[in-house]
Amino acid sequence: SSELTQDPTVSVALGQTVRITCQGDSLRSHYASWYQQKSGQAPILVIYGRNNRPSGIPDRFSGSSSGNTASLTITGTQAEDEADYYCNSRDSSGNAWVFGGGTKLTVL
Amino acid sequence: QVQLVQSGAEVKKPGASVKISCKASGYTFTTYAIHWVRQAPGQRLEWMGWINVDNGNTKYSQNFQGRVTFTRDTYASTVYMDLSSLRSEDTAVYYCARGGGVPGDYWGQGALVTVSS
Repeated sequence: SSELTQDPTVSVALGQTVRITCQGDSLRSHYASWYQQKSGQAPILVIYGRNNRPSGIPDRFSGSSSGNTASLTITGTQAEDEADYYCNSRDSSGNAWVFGGGTKLTVL
Repeated sequence: QVQLVQSGAEVKKPGASVKISCKASGYTFTTYAIHWVRQAPGQRLEWMGWINVDNGNTKYSQNFQGRVTFTRDTYASTVYMDLSSLRSEDTAVYYCARGGGVPGDYWGQGALVTVSS
């Protein structure tokens, strides 16, 4: 299966650490990428590859992977991190993208 | 700086077609693929396919096979997405995104397509 599964909602207290997970068989073979999307805006890449951050992404964002699960961790969550987060990877053929269902992160 | 600039919002009737453009700047156009992703109101991101901008080869999601066509104009550094036989469920924001070693590192601003009679 090429599906990626995410928890629909996650909440975290301001300043605390939160982990958002993504599960799927394709993650055993391909890295996940993570995108942040705020309301009415285009997605922004925050993590890709083993654990790489594009220029301008704060170092409180990190990624990890084990077996069929990829994780996005935000350490010291800020109010501006409240957003939808989508994981993305390749399908089993390696020639197509697939997205998770998204996780809505609420910062309390 | 790298930019992907898309064409504007469209309103179409059911059964019609829509063509959206995505103009790239700030990098060598033929070096990176372009993916198309759409998002219906309140819904998840949905991958539609991609085009190899260098040779024009395409890969379409099975969900859109037969209805979608990607083309490119290398002289204009522009990629086009053509979606036909529109229905109300195609109402969505359509994004182009740069592919390659860093997947989706740049995205267009999105183009809203509204399908309504």
